Amino acid sequence: QVQLVQSGAEVKKPGSSVKVSCKASGGTFSSYIISWVRQAPGQGLEWMGRIIPIFGSANYAQRFQGRVTITADESTSTAYMELSSLRSEDTAVYYCATDPGWFDPWGQGTLVTVSS
Amino acid sequence: EIVLTQSPGTLSLSPGERATLSCRASQSVSSSYLAWYQQKPGQAPRLLIYGASSRATGIPDRFSGSGSGTDFTLTISRLEPEDFAVYYCQQYGNSPYSFGQGTKLEIK
Repeated sequence: QVQLVQSGAEVKKPGSSVKVSCKASGGTFSSYIISWVRQAPGQGLEWMGRIIPIFGSANYAQRFQGRVTITADESTSTAYMELSSLRSEDTAVYYCATDPGWFDPWGQGTLVTVSS
Repeated sequence: EIVLTQSPGTLSLSPGERATLSCRASQSVSSSYLAWYQQKPGQAPRLLIYGASSRATGIPDRFSGSGSGTDFTLTISRLEPEDFAVYYCQQYGNSPYSFGQGTKLEIK
């Protein structure tokens, strides 16, 4: 069973970028689709985008288009989510998850705090 | 984009009771591509149901999902203390994927 381990918490200034990693173990990385989902404090879940590592192709939710980039490195079985032009509203826990449509399993989450 | 509306927002019940959570879609969800998740404070969501009615690995059989088209239901037959949490539905039949806003199941 694949396990996903994410990078640690980040504190960023408004206008900067953040890159969160998601390392997979226990499975064949290239056979998975990886999605990213975020959750603002006290709020619900929001899908951001996904990547098919074997093809390197990603697609994104419209509201994040132009600000988010999802990549994958098959050699290290790691997916990345980079979000640019950060604003306070981007303060959230960011999760990666394998994506056969539904999300399972999930990484443990990475808290990104945007504050001046 | 498909909008999912969950009801009620909060459900107050006692252990041993039956819980019925609703998820309504703004348009038909293709091939019943709907999932349910449970989330406890400080934890990542946990998959309960996919394909509207298939239980995920290790999920107790007191959890069941039903529905098709635009109306879906998660039923917990007899509530255990560990079932009190927030529940989300998610559709994956149309891009972009979308989630409901959640139902909080609290102890009465």
